[in-house]
Amino acid sequence: KQEVTQIPAALSVPEGENLVLNCSFTDSAIYNLQWFRQDPGKGLTSLLLIQSSQREQTSGRLNASLDKSSGRSTLYIAASQPGDSATYLCAPTHGSSNTGKLIFGQGTTLQVKP
Amino acid sequence: GAVVSQHPSRVICKSGTSVKIECRSLDFQATTMFWYRQFPKQSLMLMATSNEGSKATYEQGVEKDKFLINHASLTLSTLTVTSAHPEDSSFYICSVKPQETQYFGPGTRLLVL
Repeated sequence: KQEVTQIPAALSVPEGENLVLNCSFTDSAIYNLQWFRQDPGKGLTSLLLIQSSQREQTSGRLNASLDKSSGRSTLYIAASQPGDSATYLCAPTHGSSNTGKLIFGQGTTLQVKP
Repeated sequence: GAVVSQHPSRVICKSGTSVKIECRSLDFQATTMFWYRQFPKQSLMLMATSNEGSKATYEQGVEKDKFLINHASLTLSTLTVTSAHPEDSSFYICSVKPQETQYFGPGTRLLVL
């Protein structure tokens, strides 16, 4: 059974800092892994998707890495801004086939102070 | 990406009533949609996979007779919470997957009194 852990659970940083969010998962047999952002009371916004064969993906100030064999992914946010304040969720797939089933961690709640 | 809408965004109902939540894929014909549930301070949990024209596939521990799913068209899936009880109060959210990336709706917050 896939279990996903995200560390830290919460993080508060001053604006401009670079930061790293960690995600670990117990079953390395995944198809891909997605990082999402969730604002309070809202739906999820897809940030990055990494295929199981890839090592990293970049989008703007965001960089996600994947070490599938060790069951780890990190989300790097450069030059953080107050608008980055949200909960960040890591979601590897359940199994190595493209079923679309995602297993979510509990998230890291980020607060970026002006 | 894909645009997904949900209706209603919030609903309050009395215990014992049934509530229907709609999930629409606005710009993508979705043969498959996913329904998740999120309790306060907890992670999202997959409830079921909705399949157009056939029965939904439910995850272990999810009562199919309580959470009725109908995927009658390529753009609409509905989740009906039957005989709702306070413990069903949660945030229900659906998603579609055009290719690899999964796109989520804005969610429906259900409060059962």
